[in-house]
Amino acid sequence: DADVTQTPRNRITKTGKRIMLECSQTKGHDRMYWYRQDPGLGLQLIYYSFDVKDINKGEISDGYSVSRQAQAKFSLSLESAIPNQTALYFCATSDSAGAHYNEQFFGPGTRLTVL
Amino acid sequence: GENVEQHPSTLSVQEGDSAVIKCTYSDSASNYFPWYKQELGKRPQLIIDIRSNVGEKKDQRIAVTLNKTAKHFSLHITETQPEDSAVYFCAASKERSNYQLIWGAGTKLIIKP
Repeated sequence: DADVTQTPRNRITKTGKRIMLECSQTKGHDRMYWYRQDPGLGLQLIYYSFDVKDINKGEISDGYSVSRQAQAKFSLSLESAIPNQTALYFCATSDSAGAHYNEQFFGPGTRLTVL
Repeated sequence: GENVEQHPSTLSVQEGDSAVIKCTYSDSASNYFPWYKQELGKRPQLIIDIRSNVGEKKDQRIAVTLNKTAKHFSLHITETQPEDSAVYFCAASKERSNYQLIWGAGTKLIIKP
């Protein structure tokens, strides 16, 4: 089954630690996104990438960095985690060339807690 | 920049009744409006979308209406069922921004048996 996967699914870390969240997809999509979800705030875009050589900041990129290692892999890093980065993080993909090019397909999410 | 407001934040309806969720957007250039459903503990999934050249779109029990003049769009669910219980998100985007989605805050829909 073509899908979007995220690792880890849950992570507890301490303030100041560096942490990486990973996203892989077997859909063959060219576009990938990282979102953050907080209760009552919906989804906020952190970074997005339209191909391996294209990285763009979203609404809330401060404190985060990303790496697009291959078309199928997009990683999100927190260089020095802080408690207000505690949230549910989603990776998503979309296909710029497909008939449903606007539809975004989400991974299962990573629940991150920063103590 | 674009801002999307979604109301209500929580909606409780009797099973079998209809539910309506409303969103307003600020950027008149926005031309694509999807709705995503997120069940408890699950990932968001697209359920229906509409483009600005269409006023209404239906898919079985769900429909979306768009009023470009007033800059608002709504999700309508008829004959609600327990499996409709979820959080629903609206979003808006435009071609000029490569269809980056600006999301509403979500509506928690509760279907009472």
